[in-house]
Amino acid sequence: QSALTQPASVSGSPGQSITISCTGTSSDIGSYNLVSWYQQHPGKAPKFMIYEVNKRPSGVSNRFSGSKSDNTASLTISGLQAEDEADYYCCSYAGTSTYVVFGGGTKLTVL
Amino acid sequence: EVQLVESGGGLVQPGRSLRLSCAASGFTFDDYGMHWVRQAPGKGLEWVSGINWNSDTIGYADSVKGRFTISRDNTKNSLFLQMNTLRAEDTALYYCAKDSLPYDDYLIDAFNIWGQGTMVTVSS
Repeated sequence: QSALTQPASVSGSPGQSITISCTGTSSDIGSYNLVSWYQQHPGKAPKFMIYEVNKRPSGVSNRFSGSKSDNTASLTISGLQAEDEADYYCCSYAGTSTYVVFGGGTKLTVL
Repeated sequence: EVQLVESGGGLVQPGRSLRLSCAASGFTFDDYGMHWVRQAPGKGLEWVSGINWNSDTIGYADSVKGRFTISRDNTKNSLFLQMNTLRAEDTALYYCAKDSLPYDDYLIDAFNIWGQGTMVTVSS
C-alpha cells in the first residue's frame, strides 16, 4: 500500500489530454510544494518530469504540466503522443520523520 | 555528462548482508543530497534512504530502519548502502538518485538524476 494514491491506469487517444491524480494527506502534499513526477518506460530508469508541483526541467516537453490543490496533485499531458505511453509516479516530501513518499504508479496507455 | 553507476547487487541468502555502491560523476557530488530508491519486480518505486550533502541529515523508510545504513564518501564521489539482515521482501532493483537542489534543507526536492540500478535478490 503506497502512501500516495494514484489510479492504476489511464488511457487516451493521440492528440487528447489526460490527467493523472495523486492524493496524499495534510502531512505530505498538503504541507509542502515539493511534489515531483517521474516517467518510466519498461526496463528503463525513471525520468524526472516535474518538480516543485509545476516546474518543468529543461528538455521536458511543455505538453507536461503539474498542479496541486489541497492534498491532491495532478499531472496533465496534453497532445498525447505514442511515446508518452509509460508508467508515471508522483512523489512528495513528507516531513522529517517519513521524508519521502511515492504513489503506486499509473500506467498510461495511448490508444 | 552527469552519471550515477550502481554496483554491488547480487543473490544473497535471507539474513545475510550486502553493500551497494554508487559512483557519481559529472557534478559537484558534495553539494547534493543522495538517495536510494528501490523497485521490486513488477512493482512501483519505494524510497529507501537518503543522506544530505554533508551527512548531517539521514532518513530511512520504516521498512529498512535498523537494518540498512546509508553513507557517503565525498572524497571519492561515492554513495553506499549497507544492507543487513536481508529479507525476501528486500528483493528489488536498487537505484541511486541525486537531489535536484544543492544544499537542500529538506533532504529532497526531487530526484533529477537516476542510475540504471543494481539488482538485489534475497533467496535461499
